[in-house]
Amino acid sequence: LAKTTQPISMDSYEGQEVNITCSHNNIATNDYITWYQQFPSQGPRFIIQGYKTKVTNEVASLFIPADRKSSTLSLPRVSLSDTAVYYCLAAGLSGGSNYKLTFGKGTLLTVNP
Amino acid sequence: EAQVTQNPRYLITVTGKKLTVTCSQNMNHEYMSWYRQDPGLGLRQIYYSMNVEVTDKGDVPEGYKVSRKEKRNFPLILESPSPNQTSLYFCASHRGGAYEQYFGPGTRLTVT
Repeated sequence: LAKTTQPISMDSYEGQEVNITCSHNNIATNDYITWYQQFPSQGPRFIIQGYKTKVTNEVASLFIPADRKSSTLSLPRVSLSDTAVYYCLAAGLSGGSNYKLTFGKGTLLTVNP
Repeated sequence: EAQVTQNPRYLITVTGKKLTVTCSQNMNHEYMSWYRQDPGLGLRQIYYSMNVEVTDKGDVPEGYKVSRKEKRNFPLILESPSPNQTSLYFCASHRGGAYEQYFGPGTRLTVT
């Protein structure tokens, strides 16, 4: 389970593209990168997961460079409702002790009108 | 509808009075976890379970117990709650070999 580092907070405006970067220098070969979104007093919600290069779904894109030591979550054209805490995790899918997961403190994204 | 349910959603209790927070999932997931969330500390894993009768400690297991007698249920037990266990608790589940966790709505516990 790799330690991840994210900015504590970010500010943006409606309609902008937002990129949140996560550092995971000690990522293991079998680790995947997963991002979650959490609104106040709600459980986190899965956004996207990837291993390398680029993954895109209906809500976000995930960019992972070749060395996999960092990843960037990209949110296109954010709205006020995207204000939330975003968590990055790097962990393996093989089970065992890899399920001892640490979410960390995440990045508080505030979208302003 | 695929979901994770927790009960109760809110609980105020006194120090030392045993309590159980229930968690149930209807997705036939093998893996389930309990987390607590405190201001400034993020989400911390308390216990997790890989299948029925298989559990292990997370980062902050002290003062908690769990059991997994059925695949769908994963109750969190506080034998003797203390004020430092006042927190927001989340249960989560996911399939084996995947990390898309599904979280419950949370249980806000206050111990006085």
